[in-house]
Amino acid sequence: SYVLTQPPSVSVAPGKTARITCGGNNIGTKGGVHWYLQKPGQAPVVVIYYDNDRPSGIPERFSGSNSGNTATLTISRVEAGDEADYYCQVWDSSSDHWVFGGGTKLTVL
Amino acid sequence: EVQLLESGGGLVQPGGSLRLSCAASGFTFSTYAMTWVRQAPGKGLEWVSTINDSGDSTYYADFLKGRFTVSRDNSKNTLYLQMNSLRAEDTAVYYCAKGSTTVTTAFDIWGQGTMVTVSS
Repeated sequence: SYVLTQPPSVSVAPGKTARITCGGNNIGTKGGVHWYLQKPGQAPVVVIYYDNDRPSGIPERFSGSNSGNTATLTISRVEAGDEADYYCQVWDSSSDHWVFGGGTKLTVL
Repeated sequence: EVQLLESGGGLVQPGGSLRLSCAASGFTFSTYAMTWVRQAPGKGLEWVSTINDSGDSTYYADFLKGRFTVSRDNSKNTLYLQMNSLRAEDTAVYYCAKGSTTVTTAFDIWGQGTMVTVSS
């Protein structure tokens, strides 16, 4: 089965740039990576879909890229309110399964 | 307002059954794929099942081994998850999520979740 690998944690100072990676075999060919953030006690919220599209209401500080075996969520000018768990997701067409990464806890120092 | 409201969670003994419901409002339910995602306490998101807009295509995570069944009633704007032969490892918050016209699109709306606890 297809596996997505994320670092368990990323720490960044306010105002700096956070990069959260999502590794998967040829993930760049998977038809698009989606990213969600989840704050404690809340449901997930999509922040990036299809590699680098932002839903309405998501700040331009959030962007994504996807190439080769790694997709990356980039958060510029990080704010305290960005502290959350972040998950990547793809549709694996070979198995007709959705796959989530294990999640990355973003800590704002 | 687009909204999803799950219900039906609770405490159940191992081997028991539960049926979860997800009531949708604020959008044309019958034109969107829907999905169940669960999250065990302190753990990450885990996909459970997806159903297409008409209900004639369903997809399941391998670990379910036929124990769960997803369905929908478009006349009632409601998604269901019938869970049988429950195990302790099924203990989780179960979220329903709205997709798009295809099953492969990101989930743009999530419910607040319903807690399922499997314990004797």
